[in-house]
Amino acid sequence: SQKIEQNSEALNIQEGKTATLTCNYTNYSPAYLQWYRQDPGRGPVFLLLIRENEKEKRKERLKVTFDTTLKQSLFHITASQPADSATYLCALDSNTGNQFYFGTGTSLTVIP
Amino acid sequence: KAGVTQTPRYLIKTRGQQVTLSCSPISGHRSVSWYQQTPGQGLQFLFEYFSETQRNKGNFPGRFSGRQFSNSRSEMNVSTLELGDSALYLCASRGSGGAGGELFFGEGSRLTVL
Repeated sequence: SQKIEQNSEALNIQEGKTATLTCNYTNYSPAYLQWYRQDPGRGPVFLLLIRENEKEKRKERLKVTFDTTLKQSLFHITASQPADSATYLCALDSNTGNQFYFGTGTSLTVIP
Repeated sequence: KAGVTQTPRYLIKTRGQQVTLSCSPISGHRSVSWYQQTPGQGLQFLFEYFSETQRNKGNFPGRFSGRQFSNSRSEMNVSTLELGDSALYLCASRGSGGAGGELFFGEGSRLTVL
């Protein structure tokens, strides 16, 4: 069955630094990989989608890479701010669109 | 455009009872999926509906069921509640019926089973 691991449960970084979150998966070859942000007590919010034939995607201070050989995605937040503190989830599309597989998330804290 | 609406937001039940949760998707979205979120397991897929048809079901017991109405609104039901069913239940809608579309989540229904 599919297994998705996100690097660590919690990550603390200093404001202004770049946060790098990792998503590794096994037993699967997704056509799409997505990243979501979740704040406490709220539903996840979509951030970025990257396709299997794309190496990198950017949106403002966010950057996602997708290495289908390593079966890994990296999610970067540059010039991090305390407002970026949240849990970040990676999600793999089932290729049919009927189901997503989510990692357990990484809780990011940006320290002022 | 209104977002995904889930009701109720919070509820407390006792073991053995049943519960029904409701989800109204974004207007025009025909795909609705349900997820259970717990601290230990993260987001676990329950089922997905598209145009009133269940297209996929996760690895949950038969006590968990759902349905979708012609207006795309969806309900999920959990019968014979167990303590382990305490969780945040999230509903998500998608504009695309196929692969590649983003999920729009509601705020969730927080179920506590005593």
